[in-house]
Amino acid sequence: DIQMTQSPSSLSASVGDRVTITCRASQTINSYLNWYQQKAGKAPNLLIYATSSLQSGVPSRFSGSGSGTDFTLTISSLQLEDFATYYCQQSYSTPWTFGQGTKVEIK
Amino acid sequence: QVQLQESGPGLVQPSQTLSLTCTVSGGSISSGDYSWSWIRQRPGRGLEWFGYISSSGNTHYNPSLKSRVTVSRDTSKNQFSLKLSTVTVADTAVYFCARDYASGWRRIDVWGQGTMVTVSS
Repeated sequence: DIQMTQSPSSLSASVGDRVTITCRASQTINSYLNWYQQKAGKAPNLLIYATSSLQSGVPSRFSGSGSGTDFTLTISSLQLEDFATYYCQQSYSTPWTFGQGTKVEIK
Repeated sequence: QVQLQESGPGLVQPSQTLSLTCTVSGGSISSGDYSWSWIRQRPGRGLEWFGYISSSGNTHYNPSLKSRVTVSRDTSKNQFSLKLSTVTVADTAVYFCARDYASGWRRIDVWGQGTMVTVSS
């Protein structure tokens, strides 16, 4: 299985901050990397697919980059509704695997 | 707009079989470039993918769970199902059904709301 490792596990930030979350795969996954946002008690919601493609309806303050094994999710200006947990997921080969999550909390 | 809804018992006894059904509305499970997945989230932990059934009815499972998992479908009801055998307390989790976009850049683009299943005697 491909292992996905996110960092940090949690972070505290203020509204308006630029936030960066990283995800590393245990082997190359080309650009088959997706990002999800999960709020407490809700299902995950797809934000970005294929490393950098924004899912329909997702605000443009979210962006993704990377290739191979190292990837980044960036929120350019954190909003109140962005406080949540974020997961990366590889879709290069089954079984699909997820990172352990990064919780973004209010400072 | 496609919507998914999980249903099934919220409490299962140890060693029994957990059975869940996902009802899909707004789209057919037997057409299009989609597969239909089951994913769980154990308390305080991350997400674990079980497997999927494709629009043509082929199945693909996570090897770590394969011996206990069956995913099937009823196209007449536009539903797909999960059976997990010989459950233990470690199988207590929120279970999600989801749509897996299966062409090109694969991603899980629609999720059900999730259903909590507790394994306990």
